[in-house]
Amino acid sequence: GAGVSQSPSNKVTEKGKDVELRCDPISGHTALYWYRQRLGQGLEFLIYFQGNSAPDKSGLPSDRFSAERTGESVSTLTIQRTQQEDSAVYLCASSLRLAGGDTQYFGPGTRLTVL
Amino acid sequence: AQRVTQPEKLLSVFKGAPVELKCNYSYSGSPELFWYVQYSRQRLQLLLRHISRESIKGFTADLNKGETSFHLKKPFAQEEDSAMYYCALNTFGNEKLTFGTGTRLTIIP
Repeated sequence: GAGVSQSPSNKVTEKGKDVELRCDPISGHTALYWYRQRLGQGLEFLIYFQGNSAPDKSGLPSDRFSAERTGESVSTLTIQRTQQEDSAVYLCASSLRLAGGDTQYFGPGTRLTVL
Repeated sequence: AQRVTQPEKLLSVFKGAPVELKCNYSYSGSPELFWYVQYSRQRLQLLLRHISRESIKGFTADLNKGETSFHLKKPFAQEEDSAMYYCALNTFGNEKLTFGTGTRLTIIP
């Protein structure tokens, strides 16, 4: 079946503008994650959604970052008033969320460049 | 707080030689460890997880709780093993993964 998809694949924006990144998880996956990968660094956890539970927002770096998820489907990550340090690849992953931990399936990422 | 350390950013190995990618973690409880791999122009994907205790593409990794390590090994490197490898930690009841900074493995023909 189809894997996790993300759009756009690339986004170039000017400092101060807002951007919205989209993630379509694998159908039936109840858990959805957003990560950020800055150049030369590892993946940094941003936010986690699980079903109808309150999301785990503990990784969001500032209040300029927010994310929503509609039920168990699409999620959007919004960055307001973008800064140059927001430039990174933003990765989305989904999983079945089996007890004891499960495999996360990653999308291709959105490369964000803030000029 | 948990942390994953991959001390080598770059590793070059001749084809046919053994490969070892190092991973150390810090976590006081019972961790679950993973290796993820990203081949050129492909998405990040799971390579193996310690609870499965299986060999994938000839790679194995053993969790050593005494040394808090989860090194990835392969006895004979192949050119198609060239990729970026990430070690990741998941803790029980906490579904987010903590990733290391990754090691870029290059296999020299």
